[in-house]
Amino acid sequence: AQSVTQPDIHITVSEGASLELRCNYSYGATPYLFWYVQSPGQGLQLLLKYFSGDTLVQGIKGFEAEFKRSQSSFNLRKPSVHWSDAAEYFCAVGPYNFNKFYFGSGTKLNVKP
Amino acid sequence: EAGVAQSPRYKIIEKRQSVAFWCNPISGHATLYWYQQILGQGPKLLIQFQNNGVVDDSQLPKDRFSAERLKGVDSTLKIQPAKLEDSAVYLCASRPGQGRSYEQYFGPGTRLTVT
Repeated sequence: AQSVTQPDIHITVSEGASLELRCNYSYGATPYLFWYVQSPGQGLQLLLKYFSGDTLVQGIKGFEAEFKRSQSSFNLRKPSVHWSDAAEYFCAVGPYNFNKFYFGSGTKLNVKP
Repeated sequence: EAGVAQSPRYKIIEKRQSVAFWCNPISGHATLYWYQQILGQGPKLLIQFQNNGVVDDSQLPKDRFSAERLKGVDSTLKIQPAKLEDSAVYLCASRPGQGRSYEQYFGPGTRLTVT
């Protein structure tokens, strides 16, 4: 069965601290992996995506993610968090044509001043 | 470039009533999606259109939900009759095409509360 697990429902970090959001997936075919961010009252915005090649992908807003096939993981990282990064983050998996997208349940990030 | 537009932004109805949501995708985007996002969960795909044809509606509760995209542009999602468990944010998204280089763009969503 296809699924995405984000084990952390809420995370609080101090501004300037590093961040890692966890994502584990189960997918029968070659996974295409995505991270989205959702600010309150806003739609989802794509942060980054992984299709193939280099397993460390760079995204917008200083985010990066690393694909680890052996661990079925695609964790999101940022070296230094800004207050404006407070939002909810969703990991998703699907095929290249974006049919049957499976989203995780999200991780809500709070940033302490 | 204008983004994906959705209306209304908020709707409160009583159970057993009907409701309709409207989505206008980004101009020229052939692919349109409707997602349901229940509080505390990630978005779940309800239906996908390619132009005015349905590509996937396997997760659409067809006994009460319907959707159309008659002219291949804007789309309407209807619930009739609504149940309490339909309370959610309904997100619309669009893509220019189906190749992997094409990003999916989301609208702000319609928050539905069924009382």
